[in-house]
Amino acid sequence: QQQVRQSPQSLTVWEGETAILNCSYEDSTFDYFPWYWQFPRESPALLIAIRPVSNKKEDGRFTIFFNKREKKLSLHITDSQPGDSATYFCAASEGTNAYKVIFGKGTHLHVLP
Amino acid sequence: GGIITQTPKFLIGQEGQKLTLKCQQNFNHDTMYWYRQDSGKGLRLIYYSITENDLQKGDLSEGYDASREKKSSFSLTVTSAQKNEMAVFLCASSRDSNQDTQYFGPGTRLLVL
Repeated sequence: QQQVRQSPQSLTVWEGETAILNCSYEDSTFDYFPWYWQFPRESPALLIAIRPVSNKKEDGRFTIFFNKREKKLSLHITDSQPGDSATYFCAASEGTNAYKVIFGKGTHLHVLP
Repeated sequence: GGIITQTPKFLIGQEGQKLTLKCQQNFNHDTMYWYRQDSGKGLRLIYYSITENDLQKGDLSEGYDASREKKSSFSLTVTSAQKNEMAVFLCASSRDSNQDTQYFGPGTRLLVL
């Protein structure tokens, strides 16, 4: 059973548009949600993360919106740039077993110039 | 800053062969991880280690062994390579247990003939 689901699998937007990447999870005990991004032929790296004490986390053009009741979150990338083209992974973990991070399958984002 | 080194970069094996992948980090991090990345399947946790000589199984541990010989190194063994298997094995480390950022190595690309 997949505990962290991402949609869409692939997303194409034009430069300057807002890209919206969705994520949902099964386990209500999850309390930490990092997003990692991975550029072609590179390794994943942490982009931004949120804890359920807040429903929004912003870092420049990247914003996470979090809905604890619906167990959903989304990553919004405003003013998308071609350099944002990458695979974005939503992940989750919970405090009693914080080492065990569950990754979604990823969303491939393509930003066209 | 620090760096994670994985060897070898590419690994070609034969069906049934035992194959060993190595990972070194100089962050002085306590926790180290091994993930497998298959196309379209995201990252799946194989083993992790909280400290030297500790080993914890992830969701994908069957068919693998691991060894944390010292704080800076973490090895993974594929006990019997499967024919036509193709995947990237990623090593990561993090400072401690409190849902710290994971830093990933460049990966080992495995192909089994």
